[in-house]
Amino acid sequence: DGGITQSPKYLFRKEGQNVTLSCEQNLNHDAMYWYRQDPGQGLRLIYYSQIVNDFQKGDIAEGYSVSREKKESFPLTVTSAQKNPTAFYLCATSPQRSTETQYFGPGTRLLVL
Amino acid sequence: DAKTTQPPSMDCAEGRAANLPCNHSTISGNEYVYWYRQIHSQGPQYIIHGLKNNETNEMASLIITEDRKSSTLILPHATLRDTAVYYCTTKAAGNKLTFGGGTRVLVKP
Repeated sequence: DGGITQSPKYLFRKEGQNVTLSCEQNLNHDAMYWYRQDPGQGLRLIYYSQIVNDFQKGDIAEGYSVSREKKESFPLTVTSAQKNPTAFYLCATSPQRSTETQYFGPGTRLLVL
Repeated sequence: DAKTTQPPSMDCAEGRAANLPCNHSTISGNEYVYWYRQIHSQGPQYIIHGLKNNETNEMASLIITEDRKSSTLILPHATLRDTAVYYCTTKAAGNKLTFGGGTRVLVKP
């Protein structure tokens, strides 16, 4: 954290609704990442972006979408196609591709009602 | 990236050194060893990383064996605030960062 903001901290969604999670950074980092964490588990990569207007699917991209219109922002939309969206979502950034050390935001916990 | 193996949990006494092992026997020459920790309900925090030399920073020391098949993270003087899940992972430049189950460390007074 410290320069990476995720909002809100908790988010509730009704089944069938899309919801967008915010990730903003003021670190001037080129790369941004979204991870999902289920209880007691490690992190799984959803999407990542190395540069503005470009992004790639991670290991579990189905049911999610992203955009990278600005360097500072990488919002994640959890669509109704994601059948099990309840999880802890983490955004991370890294300075540039060659450096690769990733720094994480505080996370958003999504609960489906 | 190489698969890593860590003990699921360990306890250590406050004020003592905590030595956290990690096995990465299939690591390749261009992969770095990274350590992160995650305190409950927070984002993971970067601790340290290294390629083949031992590394030290204000948080911890990283000891990598000569054959690079294992490493140890050392917290020199554990405090109660060091209670967390510690993740060891390996990654080559340009590849994805992956986290396994980690080691749940409980620092006891």
